[in-house]
Amino acid sequence: DVKVTQSSRYLVKRTGEKVFLECVQDMDHENMFWYRQDPGLGLRLIYFSYDVKMKEKGDIPEGYSVSREKKERFSLILESASTNQTSMYLCASSSTGWATEAFFGQGTRLTVV
Amino acid sequence: AQRVTQPEKLLSVFKGAPVELKCNYSYSGSPELFWYVQYSRQRLQLLLRHISRESIKGFTADLNKGETSFHLKKPFAQEEDSAMYYCALSGYGNKLVFGAGTILRVKS
Repeated sequence: DVKVTQSSRYLVKRTGEKVFLECVQDMDHENMFWYRQDPGLGLRLIYFSYDVKMKEKGDIPEGYSVSREKKERFSLILESASTNQTSMYLCASSSTGWATEAFFGQGTRLTVV
Repeated sequence: AQRVTQPEKLLSVFKGAPVELKCNYSYSGSPELFWYVQYSRQRLQLLLRHISRESIKGFTADLNKGETSFHLKKPFAQEEDSAMYYCALSGYGNKLVFGAGTILRVKS
């Protein structure tokens, strides 16, 4: 059974703090993704990674960075948290290939105050 | 550019009525299209993908390349179908993008 685990279910951080969101998958998937989920806007891709140390910007990368030092772990970093980054963050992973299924974590609800 | 459009934020139907959730996409290559579903308090999960051509929980979706659409259909809605539905497209380099989602409410 594929597991994608996000390190925190809820986080509250202050404006200007550096924030780390961690995601680990146990299925040896090549691809990993970070999305933010907002009502009315759906899932918007922040960054994705198709291999260790490889990353590509998604549709809304501004204010975020990522790190993938090991295949199983993909970290999302908010360099200086702002209130407009308050959101639900979802991590996902998938294997390389045609129409492969993406598996999602349980989500991290981040509130920036 | 990859883009997915779901024009309806909310679709409300009565139990037993037909359901059609609309999805249109923009992509210059050969798209891989999916429907994902999120039930209350559960993780987002795959419902179906266009290459499978199968029916999952009574839902089907046909890829229409001429109209660039991938609408999700079910002939008779059930209360347990109430959820958030996302259409998604995988393109270059396995980049996976989603639409804004449609909430389906099935009323008894």
